[in-house]
Amino acid sequence: AQTVTQSQPEMSVQEAETVTLSCTYDTSENNYYLFWYKQPPSRQMILVIRQEAYKQQNATENRFSVNFQKAAKSFSLKISDSQLGDTAMYFCALDNAGGTSYGKLTFGQGTILTVHP
Amino acid sequence: NAGVTQTPKFRILKIGQSMTLQCTQDMNHNYMYWYRQDPGMGLKLIYYSVGAGITDKGEVPNGYNVSRSTTEDFPLRLELAAPSQTSVYFCASSRQGLGYNEQFFGPGTRLTVL
Repeated sequence: AQTVTQSQPEMSVQEAETVTLSCTYDTSENNYYLFWYKQPPSRQMILVIRQEAYKQQNATENRFSVNFQKAAKSFSLKISDSQLGDTAMYFCALDNAGGTSYGKLTFGQGTILTVHP
Repeated sequence: NAGVTQTPKFRILKIGQSMTLQCTQDMNHNYMYWYRQDPGMGLKLIYYSVGAGITDKGEVPNGYNVSRSTTEDFPLRLELAAPSQTSVYFCASSRQGLGYNEQFFGPGTRLTVL
């Protein structure tokens, strides 16, 4: 069975600074997808960024980028130029694309990020 | 497109009562999912469906049932509600059950069982 671990229950950062959220995972599959989701106080789940395991290049989406270390099974999220609207809970998630995953996601416990003005 | 809609937004149940959480998507997605999120935790998969008439269990299916008679609807049934089912329930859908297809989530239903 696959697992996803987020070891930072809470993080805080000053506006305009950079913060990195950590995620480690375990899977026996060679082909899989990793995601970061944002959940603001509204509870809406919003996809922030996704990484395909077979791609060596780290994904980037505007101010959001990942550091994907496949051998170490590590998938961290870097938020640059933090904004007040980035305040949310962030979840790391794994989809074992191999076999019969059918897109089922395994989520980490989440990290609450607070951006201070 | 309304995306994924869920009703109700909030509900309080007494122990032993039953209810159905409704989920509808208007994106013609084949794959649909039900997750629960306990306080301060990540989401856990309850049931999923790969198309009308086809459903399967996820990680935490006990105490729940689902059906999928149409592509659009994927209701979740709670029988004999228990306090352990107090949670926020999310429905999601995707075009295909593959990782490069984004899962779209509904706004959630907050359920309290007293």
